[in-house]
Amino acid sequence: ILNVEQSPQSLHVQEGDSTNFTCSFPSSNFYALHWYRWETAKSPEALFVMTLNGDEKKKGRISATLNTKEGYSYLYIKGSQPEDSATYLCALFKAAGNKLTFGGGTRVLVKP
Amino acid sequence: DARVTQTPRHKVTEMGQEVTMRCQPILGHNTVFWYRQTMMQGLELLAYFRNRAPLDDSGMPKDRFSAEMPDATLATLKIQPSEPRDSAVYFCASGPGIAGDTQYFGPGTRLTVL
Repeated sequence: ILNVEQSPQSLHVQEGDSTNFTCSFPSSNFYALHWYRWETAKSPEALFVMTLNGDEKKKGRISATLNTKEGYSYLYIKGSQPEDSATYLCALFKAAGNKLTFGGGTRVLVKP
Repeated sequence: DARVTQTPRHKVTEMGQEVTMRCQPILGHNTVFWYRQTMMQGLELLAYFRNRAPLDDSGMPKDRFSAEMPDATLATLKIQPSEPRDSAVYFCASGPGIAGDTQYFGPGTRLTVL
């Protein structure tokens, strides 16, 4: 069983504050790490696909870093806005694998 | 704007009835995934197809669930007979087939089994 862990499970952020949270995964046979944004009552939407150790990706106020040697990725939200409220999922794709394994998600609530 | 479509969006049925959910992947995508969202398990993979061939259905209860791709534009997930514990949101996703590439999710089918 592949363990993809996300922490914290949930967090509350004041509007305008920045925040970050973690995705941890087994580092062996790494191929790619995905981040998805999942708003309530909608379907998950892709944010990033990261493949190289040291990768940094950015999309607006959201960015992510990747450390494949120690098996973790951080997602950062700068200057949080209410529309950033969502569950953020990470998912691991292993080399020679054929599917994504999702973490449990970090639920972010941005308070105005 | 290419999207994955799923029908029906909502389904309420009684225990023991057959349920069929349909998915139209994005044109040109050759991988299709069925996921189930539950409170306890989060997002769990039920089945996975590449070029219409089933590659992995280890996450699917074999006795009552079946997944097929009759053609490249249609994937189906069938539950027979349905049980209350099957109540969940079922998502279909498709991808371009490149290993590890982004998956594009449909809007989901919310199933309630009474």
